[in-house]
Amino acid sequence: DSGVTQTPKHLITATGQRVTLRCSPRSGDLSVYWYQQSLDQGLQFLIQYYNGEERAKGNILERFSAQQFPDLHSELNLSSLELGDSALYFCASSDWGTGVGEQFFGPGTRLTVL
Amino acid sequence: AQTVTQSQPEMSVQEAETVTLSCTYDTSENNYYLFWYKQPPSRQMILVIRQEAYKQQNATENRFSVNFQKAAKSFSLKISDSQLGDTAMYFCAFMKRRAGGTSYGKLTFGQGTILTVHP
Repeated sequence: DSGVTQTPKHLITATGQRVTLRCSPRSGDLSVYWYQQSLDQGLQFLIQYYNGEERAKGNILERFSAQQFPDLHSELNLSSLELGDSALYFCASSDWGTGVGEQFFGPGTRLTVL
Repeated sequence: AQTVTQSQPEMSVQEAETVTLSCTYDTSENNYYLFWYKQPPSRQMILVIRQEAYKQQNATENRFSVNFQKAAKSFSLKISDSQLGDTAMYFCAFMKRRAGGTSYGKLTFGQGTILTVHP
């Protein structure tokens, strides 16, 4: 158990809908990262937050947005869903200031868009 | 931009034998980290081993060791005494390291290598 929690584990929805994925980082970790794992794109970095502020952005679609709240949990919002958004979405956390660079991954949310 | 390449989509090994997974990367950075992550059928991402680019000594973690060749931009993973529980997808990953000791945090992953350990 990495200490990172993600809910829900599975999500099945229809095209055009909007969903919210939730992540709670390890106790004490200030950085949260979101990754998408799909068959055609592999594992891709989406976005990073540190202590409530956006720090880095990857190949995140405009239909996707994220935020990190004062209690450090993070949410990834996916809207106008398309079939191609079906993927495993991981959240990871780390302590930015340690210099070690290790990220701890949650169990992932499996999103299926029908 | 950094790229990470794993040229072996699939590998197999007999239990108790040794196997080496390959990884090459491309970067203009001088200060960075390299990682190997394991993803078993449960889909959980598990850190196997980490290497800091400024350290010449190869990292080892029990049965897992790396061969880090900075000039060649190569970072292979050797698994000794393979066990059935080592069956998983293995990802090589790169992370830039900011001057001063803190990291950027973004991981760039390779395509992965599926390793199957046979009894």
